[in-house]
Amino acid sequence: SQTIHQWPATLVQPVGSPLSLECTVEGTSNPNLYWYRQAAGRGLQLLFYSVGIGQISSEVPQNLSASRPQDRQFILSSKKLLLSDSGFYLCAWSADALRGYGYTFGSGTRLTVV
Amino acid sequence: GESVGLHLPTLSVQEGDNSIINCAYSNSASDYFIWYKQESGKGPQFIIDIRSNMDKRQGQRVTVLLNKTVKHLSLQIAATQPGDSAVYFCAVSGPNSGYSTLTFGKGTMLLVSP
Repeated sequence: SQTIHQWPATLVQPVGSPLSLECTVEGTSNPNLYWYRQAAGRGLQLLFYSVGIGQISSEVPQNLSASRPQDRQFILSSKKLLLSDSGFYLCAWSADALRGYGYTFGSGTRLTVV
Repeated sequence: GESVGLHLPTLSVQEGDNSIINCAYSNSASDYFIWYKQESGKGPQFIIDIRSNMDKRQGQRVTVLLNKTVKHLSLQIAATQPGDSAVYFCAVSGPNSGYSTLTFGKGTMLLVSP
């Protein structure tokens, strides 16, 4: 069966510090991978998605970047965090688009920038 | 593009009642719809999905209804239980995005009183 791992679960970082959040998927190959951010009391905002190694699509221009160094690994990064980067970050994967599978989400990372 | 809205930010029901959560979408080309449940501090969990070639689909205690004419879908939860308390999101996809991305609504918080 497929599983998705996301870590860390919580993170408190000072303004201006770097960020690296990692997400890995097991039990499948060539998944579509996604990073979402959820502000408190709000919906899900798509940040990045990837349909293959080295292929990254950015939905919202901002202080963050994403990379996919391996088929089942997706990394969210920032060189210098802003206060506005605080939020709940969710990684998700989906299978081949033609099969129309919905996303499976990770457990999320609560990021607080202080 | 696609925008997805929900009619109510919060829905309060009594235990045992039936709950109905609504969602409207804007793109008539959208043809794949999903409902997610998100408990506090966790990632969204898949509940049920429906394709546009169906008007109704049933799961365990849940039913999704799709009205393509008015671009509206609903989630019905039968005999609502305290464990159903969560935020519910509808999500929409279609050929315009190659099914590679989902557009999420803002969410409805369901509060179940004993």
